[in-house]
Amino acid sequence: GDSVTQMEGPVTLSEEAFLTINCTYTATGYPSLFWYVQYPGEGLQLLLKATKADDKGSNKGFEATYRKETTSFHLEKGSVQVSDSAVYFCALSDPDDYKLSFGAGTTVTVRA
Amino acid sequence: DTAVSQTPKYLVTQMGNDKSIKCEQNLGHDTMYWYKQDSKKFLKIMFSYNNKELIINETVPNRFSPKSPDKAHLNLHINSLELGDSAVYFCASSQARGTATQYFGPGTRLTVL
Repeated sequence: GDSVTQMEGPVTLSEEAFLTINCTYTATGYPSLFWYVQYPGEGLQLLLKATKADDKGSNKGFEATYRKETTSFHLEKGSVQVSDSAVYFCALSDPDDYKLSFGAGTTVTVRA
Repeated sequence: DTAVSQTPKYLVTQMGNDKSIKCEQNLGHDTMYWYKQDSKKFLKIMFSYNNKELIINETVPNRFSPKSPDKAHLNLHINSLELGDSAVYFCASSQARGTATQYFGPGTRLTVL
């Protein structure tokens, strides 16, 4: 079945540091890929997504590129802020599916 | 306006009790979901409904019964609560399957004592 493997945390960074969270997937078809973010005490929000190979999703300074050859969708941000402290989830969905399959989540803490 | 809302936000109850969680979306979406987030933050699909029809029941004990009275609502009823049911339950909705973005509610933290 479909699965997502995500870099384990927790990750602690200083403000303005570079952030990367690795995500690889296994899927039988051509899934859509997502990054969701969960701020403390809140629900999940879509951060960005990509629906086909070589697409780049971007939002709030975060970027991720759908790499079919390496089955990866790594999340990057060049300069993090304290407000980026959250749990980040990589997820996939097959085109005909009615669910998201999530990675284990990566907790990111940014220190001032 | 809140897109996906859930009530209650917190639910504390005793083992063996029956409880319900309500979910409503005002996005006009056809598809709704329930996810369970365990203590390690792992998220797993429980149910998916499309146009009030059950599409996915992901090996959830039959103590859990979703009900969709209309396309805007998907409620979750849990019978005979067990300690292991303690988790955060998220409702979500989307316009379609696959590539469509799912919009999540704020979650209901269920604690079974």
